[in-house]
Parts: sequence; structure tokens; C-alpha cells
Amino acid sequence: DIQMTQSPSSLSASVGDRVTITCRASQSISSYLNWYQQKPGKAPKLLIYAASSLQSGVPSRFSGSGSGTDFTLTISSLQPEDFATYYCQQSYSTRVTFGQGTRLEIK
Amino acid sequence: QLQLQESGPGLVKPSETLSLTCTVSGGSISSSSYYWGWIRQPPGKGLEWIGSIYYSGSTYYNPSLKSRVTISVDTSKNQFSLKLSSVTAADTAVYYCGIAVAGTGWFDPWGQGTLVTVSS
Repeated sequence: DIQMTQSPSSLSASVGDRVTITCRASQSISSYLNWYQQKPGKAPKLLIYAASSLQSGVPSRFSGSGSGTDFTLTISSLQPEDFATYYCQQSYSTRVTFGQGTRLEIK
Repeated sequence: QLQLQESGPGLVKPSETLSLTCTVSGGSISSSSYYWGWIRQPPGKGLEWIGSIYYSGSTYYNPSLKSRVTISVDTSKNQFSLKLSSVTAADTAVYYCGIAVAGTGWFDPWGQGTLVTVSS
């Protein structure tokens, strides 16, 4: 199976900061990479699909990039509501897999 | 707009079978436009894909769970179901159902999730 590795596992940042989270696949997955945001007690919410497409209703401060094995999620200016856990997911294979998550905390 | 809701027992005994149902509203589960999946999250841990079922009936399972998992669809009730046999405490988790557009692979939306605890 395709392994997804996120870094860092946790991150402390302040409101207004620019933040980047990285996701690496164990083999090339083209652009079949999706990003989710999860807040405590809630289901994950789709932010970015196909590596760089912004899901409807998601603020434009979120962006995604990459292809092949290396991908990034960038939040251009952190807002208080952005403190959450973020997961990447590959959909290149029918047996999808998730990264281990990146917890974004307030500094 | 499609909405999903998980239901089932919140407590299952070790060695028994966990059974959950996801009820779909706002659209037909028979549509070839979608496929349906189950994902779980142990307390304090990350997301684990369990398996998916396509409108054709084809199923794909996580290799680590494959021997214990069955996902099926009941079109008459607009539901799909998960059965996980021989459960242990390691299967304690919040279980989510989700929908993906055929040919895409990203899940949106998800159900709200249901906590299943495995304990005697």
C-alpha cells in the first residue's frame, strides 16, 4: 500500500502567520492528493482536492501544491478558526490511505 | 445535497461482530456517480480507511482488516453497512461513513461519526 507521511506532526503558530504542512507519498501518486481539516469532536472536512483545487466554501487563504510524491498545504494568514488537525489522503489507489495528521496549535 | 448518518450499537463485546449502517439522504445510493466508504478513528489517533463499495457492487478493503470486514449496500433502504467481525479493544473508534464522487477518491461529505467501544 501507499504510505503517506506528514511533517511536522505538530506545529505551534500565531494568528496571522503563514504555515506550511508537508505530505510525502511512498510512490508517485500524480495529483491524487487531498487535504482535510478536523476539529475536535467533528468529522473531517475536505479543504483541497486533486492537490491544488479548493473545495467550494473553503477560504482562499488555504492552498495546495505538488505532484508526484511531495505535496504542501499552505495557510497564508492563520485565523483563530484554523487551529485544528490536518490530514492528507491519497486517492491514486482504490485502497486510499491517510497521513498521520498534523496538529496545528496556538502559540 | 447529500447527507449521511451513521447508526448502530455503541458498545460491542470482544469477539463479537460490529455492525453499523449509514443512511443516505438527499440522493440515491444506486447512483453510478458515487461510491461509499467507511473510515475510523481510534480515540486520540489518526484516520484509517476501512473500505469502500462502488455502485457496481465492487468492494475494496484495507488489507489489514480485509479478513474481518464486509461492506454492503441496501438500495431499498438507501443505506450501506459495515460489518467487522471478531472485534477486540483495538477496534474501539469513532466510525465515519463518507461519499466520494466516482473517479475522484476524496470523501465529501462525511457522516458525523459514531463511537463504538469494544468492551465486556
